[in-house]
Amino acid sequence: SQQGEEDPQALSIQEGENATMNCSYKTSINNLQWYRQNSGRGLVHLILIRSNEREKHSGRLRVTLDTSKKSSSLLITASRAADTASYFCATDRNFGNEKLTFGTGTRLTIIP
Amino acid sequence: EADIYQTPRYLVIGTGKKITLECSQTMGHDKMYWYQQDPGMELHLIHYSYGVNSTEKGDLSSESTVSRIRTEHFPLTLESARPSHTSQYLCASSEVGGHTQYFGPGTRLTVL
Repeated sequence: SQQGEEDPQALSIQEGENATMNCSYKTSINNLQWYRQNSGRGLVHLILIRSNEREKHSGRLRVTLDTSKKSSSLLITASRAADTASYFCATDRNFGNEKLTFGTGTRLTIIP
Repeated sequence: EADIYQTPRYLVIGTGKKITLECSQTMGHDKMYWYQQDPGMELHLIHYSYGVNSTEKGDLSSESTVSRIRTEHFPLTLESARPSHTSQYLCASSEVGGHTQYFGPGTRLTVL
């Protein structure tokens, strides 16, 4: 089973609506990151939230982290067609070891 | 855009061929990584390096090998390609102590 699992696997919304995707993980973490991947491309880092933080904002992105539930959510407000991509959460498990474990991803489609 | 490059971007080869996937970064990062990703699926770490002459196997067993003779260069080699090696290969790098990974555009490999 995966350290990180995103939910839902796929999401389609109208442009302008908000998109929320969730990530669950199994072991203790130091921080959790969200990455975006456009089709057939590499990943781009979006935001990092540390284990002692509960919420973080960056532009139209809002990330929450609940370490008691081992879960995180990514909210994209006022979605745009350019937000169409796959979104992955990634956790690093061991202090001082920056290896990341990626989740299964949420495929987001914004309908113009 | 991150300064990390992968060549070739697409490669179609026959079974039994030896191939090398190139990855170079100009950011001076000590840590570099290779991931394997099937379409629409999560990333699996197959190799990583913490610096020159340092290479380690990742979480997913792979028949590929890597070398790290120069900081900026982290090539991946398959001695004898098979159809089961068909996948996308993503290279990434990060600073020592840094949590964010910077990804190249990927190499999509098809073995016939």
